Amino acid sequence: DAEITQSPRHKITETGRQVTLACHQTWNHNNMFWYRQDLGHGLRLIHYSYGVQDTNKGEVSDGYSVSRSNTEDLPLTLESAASSQTSVYFCASRPAAYTGELFFGEGSRLTVL
Amino acid sequence: RKEVEQDPGPFNVPEGATVAFNCTYSNSASQSFFWYRQDCRKEPKLLMSVYSSGNEDGRFTAQLNRASQYISLLIRDSKLSDSATYLCVVNRRGGKLIFGQGTELSVKP
Repeated sequence: DAEITQSPRHKITETGRQVTLACHQTWNHNNMFWYRQDLGHGLRLIHYSYGVQDTNKGEVSDGYSVSRSNTEDLPLTLESAASSQTSVYFCASRPAAYTGELFFGEGSRLTVL
Repeated sequence: RKEVEQDPGPFNVPEGATVAFNCTYSNSASQSFFWYRQDCRKEPKLLMSVYSSGNEDGRFTAQLNRASQYISLLIRDSKLSDSATYLCVVNRRGGKLIFGQGTELSVKP
């Protein structure tokens, strides 16, 4: 079965370190998204991509970057982790921009000490 | 002001009750609308789309009022298994999906 997987599922790191969260989907979806979820804020869009070599900033993109070198993967990088980036991160994909159904990964819980 | 706003709750209701959630959005160019469900510590999943004429899926009814920029979700005959957080989602022109902060529902025996 096609799926979307995130790794690692849990990570603890220190302030200032670089961290990369992986997202891999096997549906061949063009659209991929990264959200973070914090209490009181719901899901906030970090970055998104509509296809290979396309990346766009979301509403909370500062301190994060993404790259899209193939259809399947959209890794999220925190260049220098900060305590404010402690959160649960969800990757999601969908086949096209006009569809509303996002397929989410199980989430990655990141703690920055 | 947030682009998509929901009452965070929690809504505590007995089994069998009818409960309604509301959501407002500020971007009048928003094109399509959805309700997602999120169980504790799990990923969100699509519950239903919201159509201009209103739509029903079993015990769930969704309504959209474009003039007032307002979306609602009605759950009839609540079940224990309906306990979850319900997320209002707006698809902006260009395809960005914006989530509300969610409304927590707890159905008690």
